[in-house]
Amino acid sequence: QQPVQSPQAVILREGEDAVINCSSSKALYSVHWYRQKHGEAPVFLMILLKGGEQKGHEKISASFNEKKQQSSLYLTASQLSYSGTYFCGTEDFGNEKLTFGTGTRLTIIP
Amino acid sequence: DAGVIQSPRHEVTEMGQEVTLRCKPISGHDYLFWYRQTMMRGLELLIYFNNNVPIDDSGMPEDRFSAKMPNASFSTLKIQPSEPRDSAVYFCASSFGSFYGYTFGSGTRLTVV
Repeated sequence: QQPVQSPQAVILREGEDAVINCSSSKALYSVHWYRQKHGEAPVFLMILLKGGEQKGHEKISASFNEKKQQSSLYLTASQLSYSGTYFCGTEDFGNEKLTFGTGTRLTIIP
Repeated sequence: DAGVIQSPRHEVTEMGQEVTLRCKPISGHDYLFWYRQTMMRGLELLIYFNNNVPIDDSGMPEDRFSAKMPNASFSTLKIQPSEPRDSAVYFCASSFGSFYGYTFGSGTRLTVV
């Protein structure tokens, strides 16, 4: 079953912050985050393994709550280059494959 | 490394024709995945390989779809016969494994008319 992302879409002004959530009905082994710009391939941002860790990538960070089977992606002081569709990909125990979420379209305006 | 290489970038074909999509993964990556992306269904996994062996093909829509990986540097996804509902962007991705992210190819945009 496909993980559910929220919100479906968000519009921000440059410099504002955003949070994108990913929720699964299955026990998760890991969560990946990807960004896809229009007409391009998804690009890997980060992976979080079970253990509740939080990872950072410049002004983009994420957390993983394995008990709640949820992950959140945090974008701080957003830049125009952050625009795109963000996907979470979840891997549950016993599977080596990612199931991608429904996607969140992020638009940053000047 | 040149990344994951897919060909062709665009394919327009008539209903009933055979279509073959090609993928060259990153050297050293043990896993290869074929995904299909549409507006309605998002990114769907079709099949994946580990060390050239098909592991899970449960996402292949029907018998019209087949995939092969004859060696570590090449994979094909074939649709025969093609139908308009197969129109989508098909992505190939490769990875070292569960602890690593996927690298996607540029995709093949397939249009079946």
